[in-house]
Amino acid sequence: SQQGEEDPQALSIQEGENATMNCSYKTSINNLQWYRQNSGRGLVHLILIRSNEREKHSGRLRVTLDTSKKSSSLLITASRAADTASYFCATDEMGAQKLVFGQGTRLTINP
Amino acid sequence: NAGVMQNPRHLVRRRGQEARLRCSPMKGHSHVYWYRQLPEEGLKFMVYLQKENIIDESGMPKERFSAEFPKEGPSILRIQQVVRGDSAAYFCASSRGSYYEQYFGPGTRLTVT
Repeated sequence: SQQGEEDPQALSIQEGENATMNCSYKTSINNLQWYRQNSGRGLVHLILIRSNEREKHSGRLRVTLDTSKKSSSLLITASRAADTASYFCATDEMGAQKLVFGQGTRLTINP
Repeated sequence: NAGVMQNPRHLVRRRGQEARLRCSPMKGHSHVYWYRQLPEEGLKFMVYLQKENIIDESGMPKERFSAEFPKEGPSILRIQQVVRGDSAAYFCASSRGSYYEQYFGPGTRLTVT
């Protein structure tokens, strides 16, 4: 069954607005990672948050993790056209190093 | 400071041929992972290797697929007797240890005709 599931599946906003994407998962994890993928390209690692962390920042990115609800959110502030991409969360189950990906959120930033 | 390298970037094979995909991890990384991505889908784990060892191959199809990570040289994902359903993007990732960030290569896009 799917471990990480992103919500919404697609999001379209105006440049300058904030974008929030959510991810839910099912099992206990060691950490959760967020990746960006531009169309037809590889994945770019954005941020890793460990199970004992609640919030993490990196530039315009803010990630939260709620292990009691088994959910995470990715906030991109002051969005830019270049942020247009698919965003994936990936979790590793306790005892396993493999990452389990959701279907992704397709984010479109309109200029 | 090269990232994860994969080659070829694009590979076209006829049904029944063999496909060999190569992955060189980032410098200092000894853990390699292979994932497959079908169009409009997320990535699916295939196999996790360390030097000369397969650690987890729970995502590998039982037949036609194999992977190795020799002491010297890149990791190889080998698909024998390819079928149309093998057409996908195959991504390799590396990390410096368990439960660290996994960094991905640009992928190999396999097309089976």
